[in-house]
Amino acid sequence: AQSVTQLGSHVSVSEGALVLLRCNYSSSVPPYLFWYVQYPNQGLQLLLKYTSAATLVKGINGFEAEFKKSETSFHLTKPSAHMSDAAEYFCAVSEGARQAGTALIFGKGTTLSVSS
Amino acid sequence: NAGVTQTPKFQVLKTGQSMTLQCAQDMNHEYMSWYRQDPGMGLRLIHYSVGAGITDQGEVPNGYNVSRSTTEDFPLRLLSAAPSQTSVYFCASSYRDRGNEQFFGPGTRLTVL
Repeated sequence: AQSVTQLGSHVSVSEGALVLLRCNYSSSVPPYLFWYVQYPNQGLQLLLKYTSAATLVKGINGFEAEFKKSETSFHLTKPSAHMSDAAEYFCAVSEGARQAGTALIFGKGTTLSVSS
Repeated sequence: NAGVTQTPKFQVLKTGQSMTLQCAQDMNHEYMSWYRQDPGMGLRLIHYSVGAGITDQGEVPNGYNVSRSTTEDFPLRLLSAAPSQTSVYFCASSYRDRGNEQFFGPGTRLTVL
């Protein structure tokens, strides 16, 4: 069965500092991996996705993630945090074994706080 | 395009009451799904549909029913609400291929007393 583990339920950084949010996955099939962001009282918005093309994936708002098969990781980074990045971030894997092929298995989320 | 819409935004029920959460999308997506979000639990799949007339269970289906009579609509029914169903519910839709982005609605915050 596929699963996602996000290390650290809460990460705090200063404005301008590096953002690193960790995600490890377990999958018996080649994974499709996603990072979503949720701002307070809103739905989820896609930041970026990996679908077996380039291992370094660039997303919106300056975020990027690198797929490392040997480490079963898909960590999210941003070189310089901005106050507007404060939100909850979810890593997800596509449950490709199902007929639907698009059901997502989510991690438990990481709340990012940014201080000035 | 309105994208994925959900109604109502907020709802308070008493234990044992029934209700339907509405979800609609105008992107002609084949795949639609319902998730619930609970603190510290991430999002968990309740039910999903790969097209009109086809539905299947997700990780946490008990206490919920769905049907898909049209491509656009995917309502979620709570048959007899319980306090354990207090949660935020999200509907999502996408094209069927597993690499496609899922688009999420704004959510329904449900409280069961």
